[in-house]
Amino acid sequence: SQKIEQNSEALNIQEGKTATLTCNYTNYSPAYLQWYRQDPGRGPVFLLLIRENEKEKRKERLKVTFDTTLKQSLFHITASQPADSATYLCAPLSGSARQLTFGSGTQLTVLP
Amino acid sequence: DVKVTQSSRYLVKRTGEKVFLECVQDMDHENMFWYRQDPGLGLRLIYFSYDVKMKEKGDIPEGYSVSREKKERFSLILESASTNQTSMYLCASRRQGNSPLHFGNGTRLTVT
Repeated sequence: SQKIEQNSEALNIQEGKTATLTCNYTNYSPAYLQWYRQDPGRGPVFLLLIRENEKEKRKERLKVTFDTTLKQSLFHITASQPADSATYLCAPLSGSARQLTFGSGTQLTVLP
Repeated sequence: DVKVTQSSRYLVKRTGEKVFLECVQDMDHENMFWYRQDPGLGLRLIYFSYDVKMKEKGDIPEGYSVSREKKERFSLILESASTNQTSMYLCASRRQGNSPLHFGNGTRLTVT
């Protein structure tokens, strides 16, 4: 069955460092992969989409990579700030699928 | 900006009651989704609708039904609420294809 795994434990990093979050998937051949941010008590908010033919995508301090051979996406936040503290969710999506399935998320805490 | 509005932020119901959770989006999106979110289990898809009066089961449809009579409104129905349906319920919408999901802020349902 299809499986999505994100960093299993919460991730704590020091302000100013780069945070790297991992999304691994099995039994999938996604054409796209989306990343979302979720703050406590709120719904997830879309951050970035990367296509299978794009190795890397950037948006301000965010960078996402997509390695279809390793079946993995990495999500980087450079120069991290306490305001980046949140849960980050990945969602691989195959081209024909209507449904969007999420990983369980990684809770990131940036310490001042 | 897209707005997805869920009718209640908090809801307390008794076991056996019929419960309606309402969701309205204002951007003429074709697809609408209902997820539940539980600690350690992440977001799990209950049902989604790809058009008016059209629906498909997600990963955990048991004990739930849905209704989509108008494009902007998607209702989740718990036919006979049970304590294991205590959860955060999140509604989302999007255009067709790989467009990002827009989430509401959730309804925290407690069944006693």
